Amino acid sequence: GQQLNQSPQSMFIQEGEDVSMNCTSSSIFNTWLWYKQEPGEGPVLLIALYKAGELTSNGRLTAQFGITRKDSFLNISASIPSDVGIYFCAGQPQYNNNDMRFGAGTRLTVKP
Amino acid sequence: GAGVSQSPSNKVTEKGKDVELRCDPISGHTALYWYRQSLGQGLEFLIYFQGNSAPDKSGLPSDRFSAERTGGSVSTLTIQRTQQEDSAVYLCASSFRGSNEQFFGPGTRLTVL
Repeated sequence: GQQLNQSPQSMFIQEGEDVSMNCTSSSIFNTWLWYKQEPGEGPVLLIALYKAGELTSNGRLTAQFGITRKDSFLNISASIPSDVGIYFCAGQPQYNNNDMRFGAGTRLTVKP
Repeated sequence: GAGVSQSPSNKVTEKGKDVELRCDPISGHTALYWYRQSLGQGLEFLIYFQGNSAPDKSGLPSDRFSAERTGGSVSTLTIQRTQQEDSAVYLCASSFRGSNEQFFGPGTRLTVL
C-alpha cells in the first residue's frame, strides 16, 4: 500500500524555538491529518486538512495541505515543554476512501 | 463524554497462546479501526469496520489475526497462537460515518514472551 514519508524522525529543540515537520507521498491524497501521541496514550487529532492549499491553525500549530496534494507540513511556533511527544501525519489516498495511511512519526523533545 | 476505551491496557502472554483485545468505540460512531504500533514505529492498519458492511481486512498480517464487531459497537481483535513478533501496542479508533477524523483509544500493550 501507499506509504507516507515523514521527516524528520526526531527533533531535539530548545524551549521557545519553532518546529517544522512534513510528510510526502508519491500519490495524491484527499485528506491530511496531524496527530500527537503522548506516552501511554493513543494519538490525538490536532489538525485536519481537506483541500489543496488549505492552511489551518490551531493555537501555536499551523498545518498546510500541499498544492500538489502529495504533501503536508506542520509547524509549531514558540515550543513549550508540553509539546513533547510523537507527531504523526495521516492521509487518505485518493484511490480508497476507507484507507488512512500514517507516517512513521516525528519524535519531538523540548529542552526547558 | 466517554472516549474510545480499550481493554486490557496491558497483556503479557506466552508464545502460542491466544489473546483477545477489546475496543469500545464512541457511541454513535459507525466506523471502527484497528491498528498495530510497534516500538518506535508508525501505525500499521489492520482492519476497518463500517456499519453493517463487510469489514476491510486487507491489513491483517496473517490468518492468526481476526476481528469481530458485534451489534455495530464493541469490537474484539483475536490473535491466535501468538508469536513474539506480535508484541506491540494495538490501537483502536472510531469515527462518524463519512468522517476522516478518527478518535483513538489508549491502546493495549501486548507482550509475547
